[in-house]
Amino acid sequence: DGGITQSPKYLFRKEGQNVTLSCEQNLNHDAMYWYRQDPGQGLRLIYYSQIVNDFQKGDIAEGYSVSREKKESFPLTVTSAQKNPTAFYLCASSMNSNQPQHFGDGTRLSIL
Amino acid sequence: QKEVEQDPGPLSVPEGAIVSLNCTYSNSAFQYFMWYRQYSRKGPELLMYTYSSGNKEDGRFTAQVDKSSKYISLFIRDSQPSDSATYLCAMSAPGFQKLVFGTGTRLLVSP
Repeated sequence: DGGITQSPKYLFRKEGQNVTLSCEQNLNHDAMYWYRQDPGQGLRLIYYSQIVNDFQKGDIAEGYSVSREKKESFPLTVTSAQKNPTAFYLCASSMNSNQPQHFGDGTRLSIL
Repeated sequence: QKEVEQDPGPLSVPEGAIVSLNCTYSNSAFQYFMWYRQYSRKGPELLMYTYSSGNKEDGRFTAQVDKSSKYISLFIRDSQPSDSATYLCAMSAPGFQKLVFGTGTRLLVSP
């Protein structure tokens, strides 16, 4: 089945720790995206990538980093600089920027 | 003013009702319009995708775009309790590198 796989489903971060969220897609999509979702605030774009080895900051990139070394993979690192990381993180992909995005089932990150 | 406005709800209806969900937008360049359904603790699922103006129907769902009023709608006929979810609109324009999302409307369909 084609789709987007996010792992882990739940993740806990200790103070001062970096954590990495995985996102893999087998849809052969060029574009991939990371969103953060907080209650009542909708989806906020963290980073996006239109093509391998290239990515751009979204609206709330501070405290996050990404890489796009393979077409299928777009991991997100939540660094210790992100002071309020507790949220639901969603990864998406699309054929191009005007086509619908397809989402994974998210990773819920909490602070220990 | 946000680029896309969407009433957060909740919108409560009885089973079998016709539901109307709406978004307004300010950017006249938007030409690609989407509706997503999101269940609790899940990722959004694409329901409808339309280009430019007009209507599109898929089963119990109808999407309408009125570009002159900068207004899009999603109608759900014969609503079911399983339709209870948050509905997000999204849109884009040629040359945009990302979608612009509404904040979502929470729908509750009671048996």
